[in-house]
Amino acid sequence: AIQMTQSPSSLSASVGDRVTITCRASQGIRNDLGWYQQKPGKAPKLLIYAASSLQSGVPSRFSASGSGTDFTLTISSLQPEDYATYYCLQDYNYPHTFGQGTKVDFK
Amino acid sequence: QVQLQESGPGLVKPSQTLSLTCTVSGGSIRSDVYYWTWIRQPAGKGLEWIGRVYTSGSTSYNPSLKSRVTISVDTSKNQFSLKLSSVTAADTATYYCAGGDYVLVNGAYFYRVDVWGQGTTVTVSS
Repeated sequence: AIQMTQSPSSLSASVGDRVTITCRASQGIRNDLGWYQQKPGKAPKLLIYAASSLQSGVPSRFSASGSGTDFTLTISSLQPEDYATYYCLQDYNYPHTFGQGTKVDFK
Repeated sequence: QVQLQESGPGLVKPSQTLSLTCTVSGGSIRSDVYYWTWIRQPAGKGLEWIGRVYTSGSTSYNPSLKSRVTISVDTSKNQFSLKLSSVTAADTATYYCAGGDYVLVNGAYFYRVDVWGQGTTVTVSS
């Protein structure tokens, strides 16, 4: 199975900060990657698909890039509602695998 | 807009079979758009992909669970289901049903899981 390694595992940031989360695949996965946001007690929510395409309705402060093995999710100006855990998910092959998550909390 | 709702027992005894159902509303499970998926999450931990089924009945499973898992579609009830046999405490988790589709981006199709149920917590305990 392809391993997805996110970094950092957690970070503390203030409102207005620029936040960057990385996801590295154990082998090349083209652009077959999505980013998901999960708040406590809630289901994950799709933010990004195809490595860099913004899902409809997701604020433009979220952006992502990458291809092959290295991917990044960026929040340009952190908002109070963005405090959550973020996961990457590869669907290049089976089994689909998630990163271990990055928790963004209040600094 | 498609919505999903999980249902099933919240408590299962060790060695028994965990059975969950996901009801699809706002759309047909016969849709050739969606792959119907199960994902789980132990309390305080990360997400694990269990497997998915297409409307045709074609399935893909996580090899770590493959010998114990069955995902199927019931078109008459607009539902899909998860069965996980021989459960242990390690199977205690919140189980999510989800729907994923393929979208065309710059001439290629990409997968996205864009519809999620709210999740249901299953505890394995005697």
